[in-house]
Amino acid sequence: KNQVEQSPQSLIILEGKNCTLQCNYTVSPFSNLRWYKQDTGRGPVSLTIMTFSENTKSNGRYTATLDADTKQSSLHITASQLSDSASYICVVGDDTDKLIFGTGTRLQVFP
Amino acid sequence: DTGVSQDPRHKITKRGQNVTFRCDPISEHNRLYWYRQTLGQGPEFLTYFQNEAQLEKSRLLSDRFSAERPKGSFSTLEIQRTEQGDSAMYLCASSLARVPGPNNEQFFGPGTRLTVL
Repeated sequence: KNQVEQSPQSLIILEGKNCTLQCNYTVSPFSNLRWYKQDTGRGPVSLTIMTFSENTKSNGRYTATLDADTKQSSLHITASQLSDSASYICVVGDDTDKLIFGTGTRLQVFP
Repeated sequence: DTGVSQDPRHKITKRGQNVTFRCDPISEHNRLYWYRQTLGQGPEFLTYFQNEAQLEKSRLLSDRFSAERPKGSFSTLEIQRTEQGDSAMYLCASSLARVPGPNNEQFFGPGTRLTVL
């Protein structure tokens, strides 16, 4: 069964600190892995897209890694800001353009 | 063009009523997707269109659900005889598939939150 699992389920950090979110997947055939940021009550916004040949991709303070052998990915957030408070969703695409979403990590950044 | 738009943003209805949602994709995006997201969960794929053709439907899309994209631009999602279990956020996304293949970025709308009483 195609699944995307994320950890932790929720995370609280202080402003300015770094954090790392984890994603494990069992999706076959694998085509790409994406990280989305979703603010409460809003649609998801794409942060990064990586194909199986890419190991890392950055978007500002966000850096995603991908290990296609172990089927793991991480999203590292550097120097967190209050506006980073959101859900971060790991998404795996198969070869048909279909996306399989994880349940997300709820991040709260406090001053 | 400011992105994918959805209307209404919120809908409250009584069980058994029919509801229809509209999605306007980014101009010239040829693919349009519908997803459903329940509280605390990630979005789940419902269906998608390539231009006006509906190419795939999830088994989540029961007979009470129907989606159309008549002119290859905006799309509507209708739910007939709504049930309390239909309460969710319905998200629309669009992408521009320039070449064959799955690595097309999908841009999401703000969603329509449906509450069935």
